[in-house]
Amino acid sequence: SAVISQKPSRDICQRGTSLTIQCQVDSQVTMMFWYRQQPGQSLTLIATANQGSEATYESGFVIDKFPISRPNLTFSTLTVSNMSPEDSSIYLCSVDGPLEWETQYFGPGTRLLVL
Amino acid sequence: AQTVTQSQPEMSVQEAETVTLSCTYDTSENNYYLFWYKQPPSRQMILVIRQEAYKQQNATENRFSVNFQKAAKSFSLKISDSQLGDTAMYFCAFMRGSQGNLIFGKGTKLSVKP
Repeated sequence: SAVISQKPSRDICQRGTSLTIQCQVDSQVTMMFWYRQQPGQSLTLIATANQGSEATYESGFVIDKFPISRPNLTFSTLTVSNMSPEDSSIYLCSVDGPLEWETQYFGPGTRLLVL
Repeated sequence: AQTVTQSQPEMSVQEAETVTLSCTYDTSENNYYLFWYKQPPSRQMILVIRQEAYKQQNATENRFSVNFQKAAKSFSLKISDSQLGDTAMYFCAFMRGSQGNLIFGKGTKLSVKP
């Protein structure tokens, strides 16, 4: 599968600030996804990021709170804006393929704690 | 809307024994994919096994196999010869063909005991 890295791996932030999470893939992929995993919960899709188009957000997630960039086929960023303690979660990026299409492979995640 | 249900919040198994994790799903789609992911304490989501709905043959990957019952909308994971390293959260997930996004169950916490 593709090698997927995320930066930072973890961070502690103050409420009201913003954090940008980077996701880098070692091969070109069309579809990238951002998920949130709240403490003790399952994963929920935030948005789908395709290169060359605006990100598509799921119900309950808005661009002002979670702006996403997808400048090329190997990179994406997710910003968590104006953070509150409720944003404390693990944020994971995933990609479709390329080892097997219509299969998602995940990055290691970013553990965020908001105080 | 599609839903995925994992009815076993926690399970345990003795090392070297076999355990089966349950998953049911609800969909009106014909073209879809089902997955099991493993999340160890490191929090990395690791793909365990993938099943295409149009394939009747159950997927296998070494010690991991599934029992896919399409009519019953059931997709259980069998782990044979359980190892300590299998201790993790296991998530069942559904993906509508070409849709891309995964819908996850709540997970089953599996503990393998020596």
